[in-house]
Amino acid sequence: SQQGEEDPQALSIQEGENATMNCSYKTSINNLQWYRQNSGRGLVHLILIRSNEREKHSGRLRVTLDTSKKSSSLLITASRAADTASYFCATEDSTLTFGKGTMLLVSP
Amino acid sequence: NAGVTQTPKFRVLKTGQSMTLLCAQDMNHEYMYWYRQDPGMGLRLIHYSVGEGTTAKGEVPDGYNVSRLKKQNFLLGLESAAPSQTSVYFCASSTGTSWNEQFFGPGTRLTVL
Repeated sequence: SQQGEEDPQALSIQEGENATMNCSYKTSINNLQWYRQNSGRGLVHLILIRSNEREKHSGRLRVTLDTSKKSSSLLITASRAADTASYFCATEDSTLTFGKGTMLLVSP
Repeated sequence: NAGVTQTPKFRVLKTGQSMTLLCAQDMNHEYMYWYRQDPGMGLRLIHYSVGEGTTAKGEVPDGYNVSRLKKQNFLLGLESAAPSQTSVYFCASSTGTSWNEQFFGPGTRLTVL
């Protein structure tokens, strides 16, 4: 199975700014998912984008998928301190494989 | 609904001891998973189950055994714990294949001395 790789590893921004995280992977996928993990907690599903989709929105989240470049991006608009967490992409082949995550710090 | 629950939340073992981690879900999900999370490593799949009475190996199965005797429960066993198994263990469940949204438990922090 393959592993998505998030970039950057860490990101620090101010409240109100936008945060962009990227995920790259190596082989063809059926779908790609993004999860959030608050410190000391389990992961929470944010959004799933299928291989035939290019963009998806959910509230302040916008996810894009470029299968030709084998990459996805997660944009959080108008960030809040409560968005401080680690964000993981997960790619699906026979099972779901998680990347190592991006740690996002949003300062008030 | 409680969702996915894990027991215990914390545990300290000595090398060679055994223990069982319990995962329970009340969402009637068919699929259940056990992951471990180590610093800088992301989540790695240990074992998973596609239904009651079935189990399958994931990416890092060595040193672990699992059982799914009831649909709502998925047990992870360590027969002879090693320091390399110090980690945070997460259980998850989903309605169907892994390409559905997975619901995670709060985790079990295990330290092996």
